[in-house]
Amino acid sequence: EAAVTQSPRSKVAVTGGKVTLSCHQTNNHDYMYWYRQDTGHGLRLIHYSYVADSTEKGDIPDGYKASRPSQENFSLILELASLSQTAVYFCASSAYRDGSERLFFGHGTKLSVL
Amino acid sequence: GDSVTQTEGLVTLTKGLPVMLNCTYQTTYSPFLFWYVQHLNEAPKLLLKSSTDNKRTEHQGFYATLHKSSSSFHLQKSSVQLSDSALYFCALIGANTGKLTFGHGTILRVHP
Repeated sequence: EAAVTQSPRSKVAVTGGKVTLSCHQTNNHDYMYWYRQDTGHGLRLIHYSYVADSTEKGDIPDGYKASRPSQENFSLILELASLSQTAVYFCASSAYRDGSERLFFGHGTKLSVL
Repeated sequence: GDSVTQTEGLVTLTKGLPVMLNCTYQTTYSPFLFWYVQHLNEAPKLLLKSSTDNKRTEHQGFYATLHKSSSSFHLQKSSVQLSDSALYFCALIGANTGKLTFGHGTILRVHP
């Protein structure tokens, strides 16, 4: 089973502070993703990457930056955390070739901004 | 851009009854469709992925058929169990972008 590890599992941050969420995969996958999930709602794509040192904007990139320093690692950065960014964040990876490959998700990071 | 629509936010059923969760999509390119399931406090996991047009795919008692003519990929099960209570997402992958776009999700609650 492919492995995606997120850290931390939960975090409390102050408004205006900087937050970094980390993701590590051992699947040798090219694609990595950051999704946000608000309580009882769907997953929305923030940023994704298909190669190291390159990131792409997803559907809701505002207020977030991403970094892919290596194939295995993908970080999500909130430079100035806001109350509205309280959510659960999921990282995922995929082999992606023709689109039929599944995503493997990490366990999520619960972020509370106070 | 790509979009996925799930019309039901919450479906409540009695154990043993059949269920169908609706999923329709819009995309410019030939799609791959998925159903993911998320149990409480867990990560989403793949339940099903689409095959060729009009071909049924099955897993763990759930099944779905991709119908390109109606842009649909509805999820069905003939007899739901208590353990099926979860949040179900329909998702579409953009063939030229690698982006997976999710619907809003449908909560399925099964009671005894």
